[in-house]
Amino acid sequence: RKEVEQDPGPFNVPEGATVAFNCTYSNSASQSFFWYRQDCRKEPKLLMSVYSSGNEDGRFTAQLNRASQYISLLIRDSKLSDSATYLCVVNKVSAAGNKLTFGGGTRVLVKP
Amino acid sequence: DAGVTQSPTHLIKTRGQQVTLRCSPISGHKSVSWYQQVLGQGPQFIFQYYEKEERGRGNFPDRFSARQFPNYSSELNVNALLLGDSALYLCASSYRGLPQEAFFGQGTRLTVV
Repeated sequence: RKEVEQDPGPFNVPEGATVAFNCTYSNSASQSFFWYRQDCRKEPKLLMSVYSSGNEDGRFTAQLNRASQYISLLIRDSKLSDSATYLCVVNKVSAAGNKLTFGGGTRVLVKP
Repeated sequence: DAGVTQSPTHLIKTRGQQVTLRCSPISGHKSVSWYQQVLGQGPQFIFQYYEKEERGRGNFPDRFSARQFPNYSSELNVNALLLGDSALYLCASSYRGLPQEAFFGQGTRLTVV
């Protein structure tokens, strides 16, 4: 079983609609959580951290459910520019330092 | 300010050869991490270096090695290349090794033929 699992999609979303997708993680010792965005053939870029209480950044809302070990991302009022792959990332700190574990990504295609 | 720079951007190697990839972190950043991203998958952690010491290692064979220099730049070496090593190799830098501070370079696309 992969440490971090995501639905690969693609999620085809009409412009202006809302889309949401989840990510599950297997290591209960994971300590911090993030969503990254990766455009085609580009490097990943941090979209937002995910906090236990849930958090928003403009049209993006992230939630964390530690009991069920999943993270979610919701995008409201989707824009064409939101088309990308969204990577779920969990971090575990040990004596060896930080280790980021990425999911395989969820591809989102926003269409006019 | 320059971001994370990686070189070369593209590389084609033959099976069995050796390759060295380079990464220059953002000025002032002391931590560098390396990731391998195979097409269609998420990045996989290879190494983390902080203050020139190895702080973490992923599940990669000993053919993969890395080091960090006094100026905090880093090299990733892969020996005895296999076709399966074809991937985008990403370098991420951060000041203290914290993931929320990490910035990725554009990567080196390695093709092994």
